[in-house]
Order: sequence, then C-alpha cells, then structure tokens
Amino acid sequence: GENVEQHPSTLSVQEGDSAVIKCTYSDSASNYFPWYKQELGKGPQLIIDIRSNVGEKKDQRIAVTLNKTAKHFSLHITETQPEDSAVYFCAAKATGTASKLTFGTGTRLQVTL
Amino acid sequence: EAQVTQNPRYLITVTGKKLTVTCSQNMNHEYMSWYRQDPGLGLRQIYYSMNVEVTDKGDVPEGYKVSRKEKRNFPLILESPSPNQTSLYFCASSLGVGHRGYTFGSGTRLTVV
Repeated sequence: GENVEQHPSTLSVQEGDSAVIKCTYSDSASNYFPWYKQELGKGPQLIIDIRSNVGEKKDQRIAVTLNKTAKHFSLHITETQPEDSAVYFCAAKATGTASKLTFGTGTRLQVTL
Repeated sequence: EAQVTQNPRYLITVTGKKLTVTCSQNMNHEYMSWYRQDPGLGLRQIYYSMNVEVTDKGDVPEGYKVSRKEKRNFPLILESPSPNQTSLYFCASSLGVGHRGYTFGSGTRLTVV
C-alpha cells in the first residue's frame, strides 16, 4: 500500500519568513495530493490540493509543488503569520473506488513574533 | 452549516466497558471514515464506508467495529476498550472516495484507564 513520509516533524520560523514542508510517497499510482491544517482542538481542514497533471498550484500565500518523477511534493507558505501556527498533514491517494487517503505523520509549525 | 458532528468530544472510560462514538454528517456524503491520531504516527484509518451497508477495514481495525445503517451516521464501537485505544479519534466524510477532500469532525479524545 501507499506510504507517505513527511518532514520535518517540527518547524519554527519567524513571522514574515517562509516555511516549507516536504512529503514523499511510494505508490506511483497516487495522483491526488491534499494538504490539511489542524489547529488546536479542531479537526484537520483542507487548505490546498494538487492533482498529478499539474506541477504547481498557488492560493495566496500558500503553494504546493509536485515532482512525479521523484515522487515528492511540498507545501510552501510565504510571509508567515502567527495564525499559520498549526499542525500540517500531507496526504496521497490513487484513483479508484478502493483507494484511500494516506496521511503523513504531520509537521508542527510554530510562527514566532 | 455543512459539517461532521462527533460526540462526545471527551470521554474517559475503564477497560472493558463498551462505548460508542457517534458521527453524523449533513452533506449527503457517500463516503465516511474513522481515523485515530497518535503522536508521531499521524492519522491512521480504522474503518471506512463507501455507502450504506458497505464497510471495510482500514489500516488499524483491531478492537473496533462500525456500522452504516443510514447514509448520515457512522458510529464507531469499542466493544471492550483497552488502554492502547487511548487516542484522538476523527470521523471524516466525502462525496466519494474519488472526490477531492475530506470534511473532518472536531475529534473525540478518548482515555481508557
């Protein structure tokens, strides 16, 4: 089955700096890669996703890049703000009714003033 | 408001005492799933359901049961809870396995003593 590795497990950046979280996946059939943000006491919330026919997607201060050949994808947050502090999860999924979303182990991002 | 509702939010119980965590969604989603979240392990799937009366095991199903008698409800049952089932549990739903994104509930923190 699919295996998703996520790094780093913790990340501390100063407000205004950029943050990058990286994930690798094992199943070459995976073609959907969402990112979730989990704030304290809440469930994960989808913030951005990318499909394998696209190399990069951007939404304001967040962007995701995908390298299918190397089987890795990354989340980039620019101009970080204190409200970006949260746990971020990457995930991967292949098409097909039997496939499921496999999550990485999470990255705790701390944005300091 | 479109949402996934889990109850209870917090639960402390004793080993062996059967319990049920309820999950309900109001979005007419076909796909529902249960995850447990443990430090350093990310989100691991327990069970999922692709439609009414259709359920299947995820990655860590031992010690859990589920049922899907109605489209909106997907309860998680622990027949004989043990301390290693102490965890944070999330229910999630989606229009279909192939559809983008899951909507997560707010979580149930379970402690088994």
